[in-house]
Amino acid sequence: GAGVSQSPSNKVTEKGKDVELRCDPISGHTALYWYRQSLGQGLEFLIYFQGNSAPDKSGLPSDRFSAERTGGSVSTLTIQRTQQEDSAVYLCASRFSGTGGSYEQYFGPGTRLTVT
Amino acid sequence: GENVEQHPSTLSVQEGDSAVIKCTYSDSASNYFPWYKQELGKGPQLIIDIRSNVGEKKDQRIAVTLNKTAKHFSLHITETQPEDSAVYFCAASRGVGGGTSYGKLTFGQGTILTVHP
Repeated sequence: GAGVSQSPSNKVTEKGKDVELRCDPISGHTALYWYRQSLGQGLEFLIYFQGNSAPDKSGLPSDRFSAERTGGSVSTLTIQRTQQEDSAVYLCASRFSGTGGSYEQYFGPGTRLTVT
Repeated sequence: GENVEQHPSTLSVQEGDSAVIKCTYSDSASNYFPWYKQELGKGPQLIIDIRSNVGEKKDQRIAVTLNKTAKHFSLHITETQPEDSAVYFCAASRGVGGGTSYGKLTFGQGTILTVHP
């Protein structure tokens, strides 16, 4: 079946602009995670959504970052007033967490964000 | 919070040789340890995982071992092939057992594996 999809695959933006990154999880997966992959920091957790529960935002690096998940499916990560240090690959992962839920997280291809 | 250390950062082997990558973790409550393979321009791909109630797991040429007492786990790839060349990441999480439903992954820094034909 279809895997996790993300769009756009690449995004170049000017410093100070806002950007929106989209994630479509695997159908039926109720847990959704955002991670960031950068040269200096490796792969780091940003935010976690589980069903209708309040998201865990403990990994968001600043209040310029926010995310939402509409209808328990698609998620959007928004970065306001982008800075050059926001340049990274933003990865989304989903996991099946229903009855008999699993541990495995499946990643999308990522969005490469470049802030000039 | 959890801290995962991964070694080596680069590993070069000849085709047919074995490759071993090692990770240590700090949080004794971690109970799930996946390994991901990442090829250039792609997202991480889950290749094998192990839970803390198991000491070893094998899938064809790939195996993972876990030592809970020492808090370390390792990836073993036998009979390496050029297509095994990629970046490999270990990770640890508290998984989804014991009434929690979380699974936030903490990753190691990655190992660049190069298999020479």
